[in-house]
Amino acid sequence: NAGVTQTPKFQVLKTGQSMTLQCAQDMNHNSMYWYRQDPGMGLRLIYYSASEGTTDKGEVPNGYNVSRLNKREFSLRLESAAPSQTSVYFCASSDQGMGSPLHFGNGTRLTVT
Amino acid sequence: GENVEQHPSTLSVQEGDSAVIKCTYSDSASNYFPWYKQELGKRPQLIIDIRSNVGEKKDQRIAVTLNKTAKHFSLHITETQPEDSAVYFCAAMDSNYQLIWGAGTKLIIKP
Repeated sequence: NAGVTQTPKFQVLKTGQSMTLQCAQDMNHNSMYWYRQDPGMGLRLIYYSASEGTTDKGEVPNGYNVSRLNKREFSLRLESAAPSQTSVYFCASSDQGMGSPLHFGNGTRLTVT
Repeated sequence: GENVEQHPSTLSVQEGDSAVIKCTYSDSASNYFPWYKQELGKRPQLIIDIRSNVGEKKDQRIAVTLNKTAKHFSLHITETQPEDSAVYFCAAMDSNYQLIWGAGTKLIIKP
């Protein structure tokens, strides 16, 4: 089992460009999440999907959109990248919401110039 | 809403000694408290978790204690080893079923 797979691993964007971060899990988990982690800081929830067909805003949703494509895949889109979105992005999944262990992907390091 | 405070922000201990990291939370309805370890450049990984119906849980050299009355929980690592060096995050699941994270503790194990 691969667990949670994120692509790409690294990305550099210019201000105003758009991109989609991909995430897929093979653990048959119901819930999926997108976090961002800024240097020396903790994790901040951007969006989450408690189950297939639902998405909800987290703590810092502005500037992002998400799509729960199916049970396996949850993508994060930046429509018009800004330097403030420079961060490491982690996708995670869990079996039964946030009361069960989160399994994280390896992260995407995004730089916006 | 829930607020989780984590202390200290940096902890340096001699190899073989014990390390204790403390977190406090504000929502008395919180009932799930996980701890995650993040090595440099890697993803966070769950190392231990505890639910509100239990006061203590151990897994080899790692233990977590929970004091619901005082609303704090702690991570205890005994006989520390170089591979314990990492950033440790606590979290609490609040009454809205959201995980609220602490800011992290950088643990340094001195040889």
